[in-house]
Amino acid sequence: NAGVTQTPKFQVLKTGQSMTLQCAQDMNHNSMYWYRQDPGMGLRLIYYSASEGTTDKGEVPNGYNVSRLNKREFSLRLESAAPSQTSVYFCASMGTPGTEAFFGQGTRLTVV
Amino acid sequence: GEDVEQSLFLSVREGDSSVINCTYTDSSSTYLYWYKQEPGAGLQLLTYIFSNMDMKQDQRLTVLLNKKDKHLSLRIADTQTGDSAIYFCAERKTSYDKVIFGPGTSLSVIP
Repeated sequence: NAGVTQTPKFQVLKTGQSMTLQCAQDMNHNSMYWYRQDPGMGLRLIYYSASEGTTDKGEVPNGYNVSRLNKREFSLRLESAAPSQTSVYFCASMGTPGTEAFFGQGTRLTVV
Repeated sequence: GEDVEQSLFLSVREGDSSVINCTYTDSSSTYLYWYKQEPGAGLQLLTYIFSNMDMKQDQRLTVLLNKKDKHLSLRIADTQTGDSAIYFCAERKTSYDKVIFGPGTSLSVIP
């Protein structure tokens, strides 16, 4: 029972490079989320997907794109990385209301 | 998170009770959560409360909800050093299926 799997765990990018963070869940959850965590700011929602085929902006979507490839997978893409995107990124999935959100272990991204 | 507020730090002595407070702004939120994050780890659900409840108790944890004031609190009885972590309050806006987190409260337990 893997739960939520995120890859990679660590990444260093140069300014202007692109990359995709991958996330997959095996719990048949409809809702999936991407957050970034920065000191003193908690988790801020980047994008979310309430169901397969739909995506919506969260609190801080600028500079990111997402794809809900199927029910299992929800990827986050940085087209042109900037130092301000240095952060820890968490993917999460959630089933019906009242159930918990399951989190991946996070991706520590540094943009130099 | 822009809609959920928490104080950033709390320090208590081992054996005392800890109370972590949270305010939220969206009265349509129907589920409110408390998550715990230990250093270098992901988030772990501690407990949640449905908006039609005032209180929920689960072993050492007590959640109080004041819906009128949009205030949520988490009380940890007999706080232990293993409770040292960051605690996040979160609200689920069911109309949009968003889950918004507060900035987190860093709890330090002094032996």
